[in-house]
Amino acid sequence: DIVMTQSPDSLAVSLGERATINCKSSRSLLYSSNNKNYLAWYQQKPGQPPKLLTYWASTRESGVPDRFSGSGSGTDFTLTISSLQAEDVAVYYCQQYYSSPPTFGQGTKLGIK
Amino acid sequence: QVQLQESGPGLVKPSETLSLTCTVSGGSINNYYWSWIRQPPGKGLEWIGYIYSSGSTNYNPSLKSRVTISVDTSKNQLSLKLTSVTAADTAVYYCARGSCSSGSCWDWFDPWGQGTLVTVSS
Repeated sequence: DIVMTQSPDSLAVSLGERATINCKSSRSLLYSSNNKNYLAWYQQKPGQPPKLLTYWASTRESGVPDRFSGSGSGTDFTLTISSLQAEDVAVYYCQQYYSSPPTFGQGTKLGIK
Repeated sequence: QVQLQESGPGLVKPSETLSLTCTVSGGSINNYYWSWIRQPPGKGLEWIGYIYSSGSTNYNPSLKSRVTISVDTSKNQLSLKLTSVTAADTAVYYCARGSCSSGSCWDWFDPWGQGTLVTVSS
């Protein structure tokens, strides 16, 4: 199985400031035949299911605010929230779909400083 | 838009079989992959397995010996059975849809059901 490791486990950021969450995979998620990275990001608020934010590492899902952006390639990826809003308090997960079984990072808990 | 709703017993005894159903509304179950994913209280996410609308399945090797996923396209439902449960199977169980476009499918998940908590306890 591909192991997904997120850092940090938790962080606190001031409202309006940038939040950065990292995700590292145990093997490359870049598929050479289509030059796509098989990585998705999710947001999970308390008592709710995860919500898809991005796929193909950087393609924002429809309706997701543009302050959320995904980047990276190969084994190292980042989710950036450019200007933290109160409603962004949540746990964020990365997930690889390069190979079966799909696997998730352990989650990063984002709060307000 | 497509909505998913999990249902089933909230309490299962150790060594018994956990059985859940996911009802899909607002769209057809056909031509998509449908997954079950679980989340122990306060912990992360674990993919259990998927089924395609044709009935083909793929399971997480860590659970494969105990899992069966089935589909009833006439009812727009998929089901999960997990045998010989222990306390370690206590979790919120979600159903979720994989993504398909132009004949290709990928295992990112959207949408998700609200989830149902299953507790394994005597």
